[in-house]
Amino acid sequence: DAGVIQSPRHEVTEMGQEVTLRCKPISGHNSLFWYRQTMMRGLELLIYFNNNVPIDDSGMPEDRFSAKMPNASFSTLKIQPSEPRDSAVYFCASGRGVFEQFFGPGTRLTVL
Amino acid sequence: AQKVTQAQTEISVVEKEDVTLDCVYETRDTTYYLFWYKQPPSGELVFLIRRNSFDEQNEISGRYSWNFQKSTSSFNFTITASQVVDSAVYFCALIGGTSYGKLTFGQGTILTVHP
Repeated sequence: DAGVIQSPRHEVTEMGQEVTLRCKPISGHNSLFWYRQTMMRGLELLIYFNNNVPIDDSGMPEDRFSAKMPNASFSTLKIQPSEPRDSAVYFCASGRGVFEQFFGPGTRLTVL
Repeated sequence: AQKVTQAQTEISVVEKEDVTLDCVYETRDTTYYLFWYKQPPSGELVFLIRRNSFDEQNEISGRYSWNFQKSTSSFNFTITASQVVDSAVYFCALIGGTSYGKLTFGQGTILTVHP
């Protein structure tokens, strides 16, 4: 079975540009999570969806960040406008319910 | 509030040595789940194990074993006969029953296995 798929794997952009990260969860999973990993703060939950509905977005840093899940097989995390401090590895995870989380390979974002 | 502490920042061993990674957790939830993930140099996060708070049985999977002790709030991970391919960052994590999916991660332990 395919695991969680994320694209792109690497993204380099300039400050002020819009960035869109994409995630395809494992088929049959009804929960989807976006995390961010930085050296300073470690792994942080940004937002969690259950059955395509955002349940907890308290970890989203600010209004520049938005996430959508239009259907059970696709989610996006958008940053507009991007800033250098957004540079991090962004992980998407999916699971059956909240007590199971399998992670994708991550997207390494660099904002210059 | 939830907290996971991995006191060992870095561990270095020689191949074939046994190594134990410590994990101590804090939660007020009576129902919770504990996890270990491996992050190899390639960067992905690989799921290793999940344990719920009602199951204190130790688990063994090949060279890996886990010791869960509620009395000391610990969930330690042992690699027997370590190999170079075990070199990675290992994360212990916790989801409390009332935390709605929020995985709280420890800071990670960097394990280096030398040939």
